Amino acid sequence: GAVVSQHPSWVICKSGTSVKIECRSLDFQATTMFWYRQFPKQSLMLMATSNEGSKATYEQGVEKDKFLINHASLTLSTLTVTSAHPEDSSFYICSARESGETNEKLFFGSGTQLSVL
Amino acid sequence: GDSVTQMEGPVTLSEEAFLTINCTYTATGYPSLFWYVQYPGEGLQLLLKATKADDKGSNKGFEATYRKETTSFHLEKGSVQVSDSAVYFCALSGSRLTFGEGTQLTVNP
Repeated sequence: GAVVSQHPSWVICKSGTSVKIECRSLDFQATTMFWYRQFPKQSLMLMATSNEGSKATYEQGVEKDKFLINHASLTLSTLTVTSAHPEDSSFYICSARESGETNEKLFFGSGTQLSVL
Repeated sequence: GDSVTQMEGPVTLSEEAFLTINCTYTATGYPSLFWYVQYPGEGLQLLLKATKADDKGSNKGFEATYRKETTSFHLEKGSVQVSDSAVYFCALSGSRLTFGEGTQLTVNP
């Protein structure tokens, strides 16, 4: 089946530094990718939707200058948390699907646990 | 807006026990409903789905029925195994994919 690879699985960084998370589709062309954030014992919250070659669409309340999303190719999207602070500590998950596919064909990465000291 | 409410966890069962994880939803229109499973260290995987009222989704011994009258999509399995230990997410597909909070299931031998 389709695989989405997300790296790193976990990262610890100092406050004020930037962290990049990668999401790759390994065997299909991911025209659309989604980035979610999950707090402990809470649901996945959609942060943004990115389409290859276009600017990402951010959900209300998500700072686009804080969470930079790049989707420059059909197999790679990146989320950069800029000037990270302890409140950015969370579990980040990406998902991807091909053009024309519904959410039934949405594939997820294994997530990245970010801890900001 | 759309929302999904899941049974609070964690849930701990013995092998071969009966499993129910409750899920109720609020949505406009007629969304599709899903259950996803996340095994340790892996991404979410689609477990089963139902696209209209009274549809029953099933996979790997798990079942869930789309109940429009009670706006529910409870997940059931008659006899759980240790390998079923995972986090289970209920979700609906409206204008976007909306998830419940997830329920951690641990099955002991």
